Amino acid sequence: DTGVSQNPRHKITKRGQNVTFRCDPISEHNRLYWYRQTLGQGPEFLTYFQNEAQLEKSRLLSDRFSAERPKGSFSTLEIQRTEQGDSAMYLCASSLRAINSPLHFGNGTRLTVT
Amino acid sequence: KNEVEQSPQNLTAQEGEFITINCSYSVGISALHWLQQHPGGGIVSLFMLSSGKKKHGRLIATINIQEKHSSLHITASHPRDSAVYICAVPGGGADGLTFGKGTHLIIQP
Repeated sequence: DTGVSQNPRHKITKRGQNVTFRCDPISEHNRLYWYRQTLGQGPEFLTYFQNEAQLEKSRLLSDRFSAERPKGSFSTLEIQRTEQGDSAMYLCASSLRAINSPLHFGNGTRLTVT
Repeated sequence: KNEVEQSPQNLTAQEGEFITINCSYSVGISALHWLQQHPGGGIVSLFMLSSGKKKHGRLIATINIQEKHSSLHITASHPRDSAVYICAVPGGGADGLTFGKGTHLIIQP
């Protein structure tokens, strides 16, 4: 068990550019979650997958955001045409099955849009 | 959507003190999570509990389902306990969590 891995740890990009983040969950976990966290706030739910199926998307996830988990293993979160308001920590978590299973978080990707 | 309130928002204490962090939520739940977040972003799950009390080392978590309230206690606090402690409950999406804003704890030597 190597834990949940996120890459990159930090990303600085110019407004209008596209960025993609990757999350590798714990291998046997079939649930994968993306959260966004801004300074001084708790994480906010963005979306989650059960295996390769994206089962829920928050209203926070605008059309510029897209997430995939093509083979039910790693996941990517892409932000197109980044805006300064997208600057945040993007956290990935995985769990074995239902919501009442412990969540295992990655260390996050900190995005700064200049 | 479940509303989660944590108190206090910030807490500074001396090494050795007994610490209590509180969490209240608005909608009945099946389980509540306590999480710890260190500077740099990494989040660690401390407890998931649905009733009564759980203990792990110097950390104790309690929950009162009827009152929709949970507490996290730290005994014999140490500077390495300095972190943000976050309470989370189901209700942030079909299966997502709703998180409190966190309690920023600083333990001074």
